[in-house]
Amino acid sequence: DGGITQSPKYLFRKEGQNVTLSCEQNLNHDAMYWYRQDPGQGLRLIYYSQIVNDFQKGDIAEGYSVSREKKESFPLTVTSAQKNPTAFYLCASSARTGFSTNQPQHFGDGTRLSIL
Amino acid sequence: QKEVEQNSGPLSVPEGAIASLNCTYSDRVSQSFFWYRQYSGKSPELIMSIYSNGDKEDGRFTAQLNKASQYVSLLIRDSQPSDSATYLCAAQNSGSARQLTFGSGTQLTVLP
Repeated sequence: DGGITQSPKYLFRKEGQNVTLSCEQNLNHDAMYWYRQDPGQGLRLIYYSQIVNDFQKGDIAEGYSVSREKKESFPLTVTSAQKNPTAFYLCASSARTGFSTNQPQHFGDGTRLSIL
Repeated sequence: QKEVEQNSGPLSVPEGAIASLNCTYSDRVSQSFFWYRQYSGKSPELIMSIYSNGDKEDGRFTAQLNKASQYVSLLIRDSQPSDSATYLCAAQNSGSARQLTFGSGTQLTVLP
């Protein structure tokens, strides 16, 4: 079955620690995205990538880093510089869009990150 | 700043009624709009997309778009308790990155 796999489902971070959230997709999608969701709020874009070896900052990139070495994978690292990392992290992907087509984003099941 | 506004609710409707969810957006050049359903503790699931002015129907769901008024809505006919969830409206910009801007969601409860 094609889909987006995020792991782990739950993650705990200690003070001063960097943690990495995994996102893998087998949909052959070019574009991948990372969002953060806080309770009762919508999704805020952290980083996105439209193609391998290229990525762009979203609205709340500070304290996060990403890489896109393979088309299927877009891991997110939450660094110790992110002082309030507790949130629900969602990875999404979409087919690459031109100016005349519209491709929705589809989401993985998410990772819940908490501070110990 | 591009914004998408939704009434956070909660919105309660009796089973079998029509639920009406509304969304306004600030970026005039937004071209595509999506409705996602999010059950508590789960990830968003795409239920409708709309790109042109007017109505688009899919089963019990109807999306409505009015670009002149910068307004998008979702109607759910014959509401069921299983429709109880938070509904997120998203607007896609027209740039090459095709980013989505999400509203904060409307919580819908369908009462049996």
